[in-house]
Amino acid sequence: EVQLVESGGGLVQPGGSLRLSCAASGVTFSSFWMHWVRQAPGKGLVWVARINGDGTATTYADSVKGRFTISRDNAENTVYLQMNSLRDEDTAVYYCANSPWGGYSQHWGQGTLVTVSS
Amino acid sequence: DIQMTQSPSSLSASVGDRVTITCRASQSINSNSNWYQQKPGKAPKLLIYTASNLQSGVPSRFSGSGSGTDFTLTISSLQPEDSATYYCQQSYTTPLTFGGGTKVEIK
Repeated sequence: EVQLVESGGGLVQPGGSLRLSCAASGVTFSSFWMHWVRQAPGKGLVWVARINGDGTATTYADSVKGRFTISRDNAENTVYLQMNSLRDEDTAVYYCANSPWGGYSQHWGQGTLVTVSS
Repeated sequence: DIQMTQSPSSLSASVGDRVTITCRASQSINSNSNWYQQKPGKAPKLLIYTASNLQSGVPSRFSGSGSGTDFTLTISSLQPEDSATYYCQQSYTTPLTFGGGTKVEIK
């Protein structure tokens, strides 16, 4: 059974930084792309970033480009999202998901809440 | 960016009804359309990928169709546990984009 468990969310002030983690089990981790998708309170789903299996290719939404960095450690079966220069509008539940080829998100974690507020 | 326009934004139907949700892409995405179900306080769940492929473990009352710009999610016989919000997504090109969601309620 595939399990994805996010951690690292919390309350941070505008301009601050946070690093999210997503630990995977039950899957050959290095075979899959990984996505981060976020959902602001009461709003819809927004794709944030993705990374390929060996970590050599990354893509970002324009809204986070230059501020967020996605990375992975295949030895630890973990994908990360380093979030810098956080803004109020980054407040959301952040989900990680695995993806066979970088397209659809096959399995999702339970999400971790990031709140940016002074 | 490719816009995904879902309709309706909400609907109310009875158990056993056939329910159809549509999604229109702002340009052709071939068959690169996916559908997700999300229940309150829970993570999204993949239902359909690449327009018409049923994800493993998803009940066969769910089906998807379409290509190009127009896509459909159909629930053949609505069940109480299908009360949720449904999202379409295009995976043709980045940024991957989602529709605005369709909230399905049971009468």
